[in-house]
Amino acid sequence: EVQLVESGGGLVQPGGSLRLSCATSGFTFSTYWMSWVRQAPGKGLEWVANIRQVESEKDYVDSVKGRFTISRDNAKNSLYLQMNSLTAEDTAVYYCARVERLVRGADTYYYRDVWGQGTTVTVSS
Amino acid sequence: DIQMTQSPSSLSASVGDGVTITCRASQSISSHLNWYQQKPGKVPNLLIYAASSLQSGVPSRFSGSGSGTDFSLTITNLQPEDFATYYCQQGYRTPVTFGQGTKLEIK
Repeated sequence: EVQLVESGGGLVQPGGSLRLSCATSGFTFSTYWMSWVRQAPGKGLEWVANIRQVESEKDYVDSVKGRFTISRDNAKNSLYLQMNSLTAEDTAVYYCARVERLVRGADTYYYRDVWGQGTTVTVSS
Repeated sequence: DIQMTQSPSSLSASVGDGVTITCRASQSISSHLNWYQQKPGKVPNLLIYAASSLQSGVPSRFSGSGSGTDFSLTITNLQPEDFATYYCQQGYRTPVTFGQGTKLEIK
């Protein structure tokens, strides 16, 4: 069974840091892109970051660039999100998600087919 | 960034009804459109990928269509478990963007 289990959330003061982890099992982690997606209380889904199979290839939403770092350890089948300089606007449930890929003709389609249960980050003094 | 706009933002329907939710992209995204369902307090669940492909395990009463800028999610014969919030998401270009969500409520 494919599983993603996040941890590391909690209450942190503005300006503080937090490191989220996502432990995976049931699939060949090293062959997949992975994502972090967040959801602020009562709000919609917001993509945060992607990381490809190779550690050096990463993308971020503008609002977290320079503050958040996505990383992975393929030997440990784990995904991470280092979050620095946190603000109240970063308060959310953070989900890790597996990115599946479909090649159809000349196109490659990406979609998040498996999600973790989420970990809650609250930034407040 | 590519903006995704869903309509309506909310709708009410009865068990057994059919409904259609639309999603419009601010520029052409070909068929790079996915749909997710999220129930209160639960994890998002993939329904449709590549605009019209049904994810394994998703009931056939769910279907997706569209390409370019205009897409739709249709649910026929609504069941009690279908009342949830639905999100579209484009995967054509980074940053990945989601629609604001459509809340489907029981009438």
